[in-house]
Amino acid sequence: GESVGLHLPTLSVQEGDNSIINCAYSNSASDYFIWYKQESGKGPQFIIDIRSNMDKRQGQRVTVLLNKTVKHLSLQIAATQPGDSAVYFCAENSGGSNYKLTFGKGTLLTVNP
Amino acid sequence: ETGVTQTPRHLVMGMTNKKSLKCEQHLGHNAMYWYKQSAKKPLELMFVYSLEERVENNSVPSRFSPECPNSSHLFLHLHTLQPEDSALYLCASSGQGNNYGYTFGSGTRLTVV
Repeated sequence: GESVGLHLPTLSVQEGDNSIINCAYSNSASDYFIWYKQESGKGPQFIIDIRSNMDKRQGQRVTVLLNKTVKHLSLQIAATQPGDSAVYFCAENSGGSNYKLTFGKGTLLTVNP
Repeated sequence: ETGVTQTPRHLVMGMTNKKSLKCEQHLGHNAMYWYKQSAKKPLELMFVYSLEERVENNSVPSRFSPECPNSSHLFLHLHTLQPEDSALYLCASSGQGNNYGYTFGSGTRLTVV
């Protein structure tokens, strides 16, 4: 089976709330993780990444947390906006080369005004 | 515009047709990928080209035939497809070494009738 998965397939939040999207991975050798956002009719867009030697990384309104003990990755979006509505999915690099990214199924985030 | 351009955006073809999908990147990347994205499934890696050599063919049926004439261009030639091949076909590129995220194109929405 796939090594990257998501706990919740859909998430609905109110505008202004914080959103948390979760991802589990099973390959302890994975050393690099990426979150992507895919809006309707578009290709996936890079949001933020994190290496395995870190447990937290912050961007603009987004934070990625990595818990290697339980092989868990999360994406936090602060003050969620309608433009954040999209499918979010994580990807892991099991190491060794660029082309070992494994993608999860995705979580659909809906932001209600 | 992400720097990875795919054409056409939409394609409807009969099962006996032959068509080609095109991908072009001007990011200076040296690896290019074809992914298939079907509803409710993770991204499926089809082909990987690194420095214009195919380095991975992920058990893709021979009715899909990739071509990479140079590091900036990637094609996917299609012939005698089946209705179950209808999907979003995404091209991506990445740079050298580990820990480089992919840059995706907007995809070609393929419908086989």
